[in-house]
Amino acid sequence: DIQMTQSPPSLSASLGETVSIECRASEDIYSNLAWYQQKSGKSPQLLIYYASSLQDGVPSRFSGSGSGTQYSLKISGMQPEDEGVYYCLQGSKYPYTFGAGTKLELK
Amino acid sequence: QIQLVQSGPELKKPGESVKISCKASGYTFTDYAMNWVKQAPGNGLKWMGWINTQTGKPTYADDFKQRFVFSLETSASTAYLQINNLNIEDTATYFCTVLREDYWGQGVMVTVSS
Repeated sequence: DIQMTQSPPSLSASLGETVSIECRASEDIYSNLAWYQQKSGKSPQLLIYYASSLQDGVPSRFSGSGSGTQYSLKISGMQPEDEGVYYCLQGSKYPYTFGAGTKLELK
Repeated sequence: QIQLVQSGPELKKPGESVKISCKASGYTFTDYAMNWVKQAPGNGLKWMGWINTQTGKPTYADDFKQRFVFSLETSASTAYLQINNLNIEDTATYFCTVLREDYWGQGVMVTVSS
């Protein structure tokens, strides 16, 4: 199975601060990587697909990058509504695997 | 509008079975595969597998091959997850999701307690 190592486990950011979350795959996943945001008690919501494509309706302050085994999600200008837990998901090979999650809080 | 509406919370005893439903509306049910995702309390997301909504063929992740059954009622645009011989570790919220289109159910909390 492909292991997804996500870091950091938690993050605290000030309003307007830029934050980055990383995911490293145990093998090449050919950009088959999605990023999700999950707010407390809610279903996950897709932010980025295919490593860098912004899902419709997602604010442009979210961006994704990476290739091969290394991927990152950047939030350019933290907003209060960005609090939540962020997960990466590899869809390159079954079984699909999620990262362990990054809890993002507003400082 | 597009919706995946799941059945309500369940409280079960160890050894019992549970069958939860996921009713799709607003799109052609057989156009997309249905995935299932587990989230234990305070934990992250775990992909359980998927079912081909055209053929009914399920694919399970290794941890979900023994007691878990994905099924369909295509005429009712509904997918089901059945968990047999429940144990405490099955306590979790279970989501149905069309990953490809980012459609998610609201999740079903299954609590297993003696």
